[in-house]
Amino acid sequence: DQQVKQNSPSLSVQEGRISILNCDYTNSMFDYFLWYKKYPAEGPTFLISISSIKDKNEDGRFTVFLNKSAKHLSLHIVPSQPGDSAVYFCAASAYGANSKLTFGKGITLSVRP
Amino acid sequence: GAVVSQHPSWVICKSGTSVKIECRSLDFQATTMFWYRQFPKQSLMLMATSNEGSKATYEQGVEKDKFLINHASLTLSTLTVTSAHPEDSSFYICSARRPGGKDNEQFFGPGTRLTVL
Repeated sequence: DQQVKQNSPSLSVQEGRISILNCDYTNSMFDYFLWYKKYPAEGPTFLISISSIKDKNEDGRFTVFLNKSAKHLSLHIVPSQPGDSAVYFCAASAYGANSKLTFGKGITLSVRP
Repeated sequence: GAVVSQHPSWVICKSGTSVKIECRSLDFQATTMFWYRQFPKQSLMLMATSNEGSKATYEQGVEKDKFLINHASLTLSTLTVTSAHPEDSSFYICSARRPGGKDNEQFFGPGTRLTVL
């Protein structure tokens, strides 16, 4: 049972436009959410996170929005750049879970020059 | 950010042999490390939580006798895939939790691609 779902396997956007990557979760105990970026044959690198006490967190071109009632979060990248092309994983953890992360399947983002 | 290394980066072995993968935190001491496995086009699946000086905690469905984890020091955890079979071929990734960092902050190694013939 997938507790973190990234239903769209891929997304293609034009350079300079906005990329919106979506993530849904089912476990109401999750209270901390993270986005990781991963290139082929490399480990994931941390991008941005958000706590359940917030509904928005911004870091440069990256903004994560959290809608707790809908159990939905999204990552916005604007403007998108070709170097952003990678697989993006949404991850979640629950308080007291010893930092255990539950990952989604990932979304492959392609940014066209 | 913190640096986590893995060795080897890739390994090819014959069915029935054992393979050891090392995970090192290079610039911090990690009391907790995690081992994940990723199959193509799938999510990273947590296999086990490795705690320094104590037994690893395995996730449901992961055979502890097949995937031996040793966290002998604050900078090194090893995963040994015993009697490997082709279905064990996968991308194995470790991560380390840095003390004093955010509770959920994990730094990932570059991964190890295991191919069992």
